[in-house]
Amino acid sequence: LAKTTQPISMDSYEGQEVNITCSHNNIATNDYITWYQQFPSQGPRFIIQGYKTKVTNEVASLFIPADRKSSTLSLPRVSLSDTAVYYCLVGSGGATNKLIFGTGTLLAVQP
Amino acid sequence: EAGVAQSPRYKIIEKRQSVAFWCNPISGHATLYWYQQILGQGPKLLIQFQNNGVVDDSQLPKDRFSAERLKGVDSTLKIQPAKLEDSAVYLCASSASGILGNEQFFGPGTRLTVL
Repeated sequence: LAKTTQPISMDSYEGQEVNITCSHNNIATNDYITWYQQFPSQGPRFIIQGYKTKVTNEVASLFIPADRKSSTLSLPRVSLSDTAVYYCLVGSGGATNKLIFGTGTLLAVQP
Repeated sequence: EAGVAQSPRYKIIEKRQSVAFWCNPISGHATLYWYQQILGQGPKLLIQFQNNGVVDDSQLPKDRFSAERLKGVDSTLKIQPAKLEDSAVYLCASSASGILGNEQFFGPGTRLTVL
């Protein structure tokens, strides 16, 4: 099972773009890369998922290089409400769809 | 669409007592997960069900933890007897199927405090 490594914490200011990088050197061919966001006292919430190249949705972009050994979550123009823990996960689907959460990255957005 | 429901939201018990948590997944979701999240750590998968069958329970402490998913819908997670180190948030999640890279939807969790 692929293991992920990401920074423990990051600081930013409102209106800035934030990029959180995750390394997953042992990612398998069938694995997808998924990012979740977690606020205090809540369960994690899906942000974005990708397999390769670039994926963009209404809240974030996910950049995945050709070797897929890392990925970068990009949050455009963050606000105070984006302060949360962000988890990078890799895993495949099917009956054995197993996602392993690391310790995540605590993003603190300041005014 | 209703989300994943969990109850109770909070529970305080003394060590060696028993406790049970309940989860109602999103309607139609075949896969159900129970996670344990200790303060300051990421969620750790305890058990995964596909319909009413267990897919993975390799990290479930089976001497004290048990889980069931009768009729492939609701699920209960039980701890008997509880230990101090079981203090954590217990999260339930569900996903639609085993489609590659399928999204998991999480409930609000049950915060357990063992005294």
